[in-house]
Amino acid sequence: SQELEQSPQSLIVQEGKNLTINCTSSKTLYGLYWYKQKYGEGLIFLMMLQKGGEEKSHEKITAKLDEKKQQSSLHITASQPSHAGIYLCGALSGSARQLTFGSGTQLTVLP
Amino acid sequence: DAGVIQSPRHEVTEMGQEVTLRCKPISGHNSLFWYRQTMMRGLELLIYFNNNVPIDDSGMPEDRFSAKMPNASFSTLKIQPSEPRDSAVYFCASTYRGAETQYFGPGTRLLVL
Repeated sequence: SQELEQSPQSLIVQEGKNLTINCTSSKTLYGLYWYKQKYGEGLIFLMMLQKGGEEKSHEKITAKLDEKKQQSSLHITASQPSHAGIYLCGALSGSARQLTFGSGTQLTVLP
Repeated sequence: DAGVIQSPRHEVTEMGQEVTLRCKPISGHNSLFWYRQTMMRGLELLIYFNNNVPIDDSGMPEDRFSAKMPNASFSTLKIQPSEPRDSAVYFCASTYRGAETQYFGPGTRLLVL
C-alpha cells in the first residue's frame, strides 16, 4: 500500500516568513492533493497535482510535484495568521479514487 | 450549494451503546467516502460507495462497524457496540467522476466514555 510521509510534523513561524511543507510517497504518485484543515472543521481542498514537474499557485500558496512524481512540496510566501491549521497531503491509490493521507503538518503563525 | 452535511456534529455516548452517524452528500455526486481521524492514526478511509454500492470496506476496523447507503442522498455509519477506542472525528466526503477533488463534510466528533 502507498504511504505518505509529511515533514515537518509541526511548524511555528513568525508572520511574514516563508515556509515549506514536504510530502514524500513510497510509490509513484498518480494524483497528489493538498488540503487544509482547521480544528473542528472539515478538509478544505487547496490544489491537485498530476504531472511530473507541475506547479500550481493559489494566492500565496504554491505546490509542486517533482519530476519523478514521488515528492511534493507546499510553499507559503509571507505567511499570515490565517494560514494556520493542519496541512494534509493525499494521494490517489492507483486507478481507484480512494485517497491515502499523510499524517499532517500543524502550522502555527505567530502575529 | 449546502455542501456535504453530517449529523450529529458532536456525539457523546457510553461504552456499549449504538451510535449512528449520518451523511448527506452533495446532490449529483455518485461516490461517497467515510473517513476516521485520530491523533494516533491520522485520517483513514473506512469505506467508500460508488452509485450507492459499497466498493471497498477493507478499512472498516471490525464487525462492530457497518455502513449503508440506501439511496444517492443518504448514508449511515453505525457502530454497535461502541468502545472508547472508537472516539474520533468521522468525516464523510463525496465526489463525482471528473471532479478534481473530494468534498468533505464538517465531521462528527464522537466521544465514547
